[in-house]
Amino acid sequence: QVHLEQSGAEVKKPGASVTVSCKTSGYTYINYIIVWVRQAPGQGLEWMGWVKTHDGDTNYAENLQGRVTMTTDPVTSTSYMELRSLRSDDTAIYYCARSVVAGPGSYIDYWGRGTQVTVSS
Amino acid sequence: SYVLTQPPSVSVAPGNTASFSCGGDNIEHELVHWYQQKPGQAPVLVIQFDSGRPSGIPERFSASNSGNAATLTITKVDAGDEADYYCQVWDSSSNRPIFGGGTRLTVL
Repeated sequence: QVHLEQSGAEVKKPGASVTVSCKTSGYTYINYIIVWVRQAPGQGLEWMGWVKTHDGDTNYAENLQGRVTMTTDPVTSTSYMELRSLRSDDTAIYYCARSVVAGPGSYIDYWGRGTQVTVSS
Repeated sequence: SYVLTQPPSVSVAPGNTASFSCGGDNIEHELVHWYQQKPGQAPVLVIQFDSGRPSGIPERFSASNSGNAATLTITKVDAGDEADYYCQVWDSSSNRPIFGGGTRLTVL
């Protein structure tokens, strides 16, 4: 069965960086893209971007450009999301998720359980 | 950029029908997807491509899309349906998926 296993919770100080991993199993990794979505406390879902797992092509949300990098390792079927220059408003649950399409009609069919990232001095 | 508008909350008695609206300019021309997020859990896809039910989603869940509003309907609601429900479309102007703000379902 499809499974996305995310790395554990992180606590970081403002200005630091965090990397969240997403190890997938149960399907052919390179046939799907990995999407990253975050959810601040008590808030809705925010799309952060995606990485095409077969070639590493990325598309990032405009408000995160320059601070986020998403990468892919087809050998281990794992994707990574690095967020730099962390601020308190980056405190959120970060989800990795699987999507079939990187364009119109795009939707998410499987989600990881989420990784809590807390930014606090 | 495109904006999706969802009411913040919906309340319904057990056994009744809950309806969730997702408003957007000419949304009928977009493909709408719906997610259910129970407290403390990751979202789950409940409707894809306007009205399609993924495997494992009960027939109680249905959806439609017309004019400026898409609608998710849950019949015979029970306490297990308490969750936040999000609609999502592709925004061609910003080249990214966008989510509505979500609607919280409370079962009275």
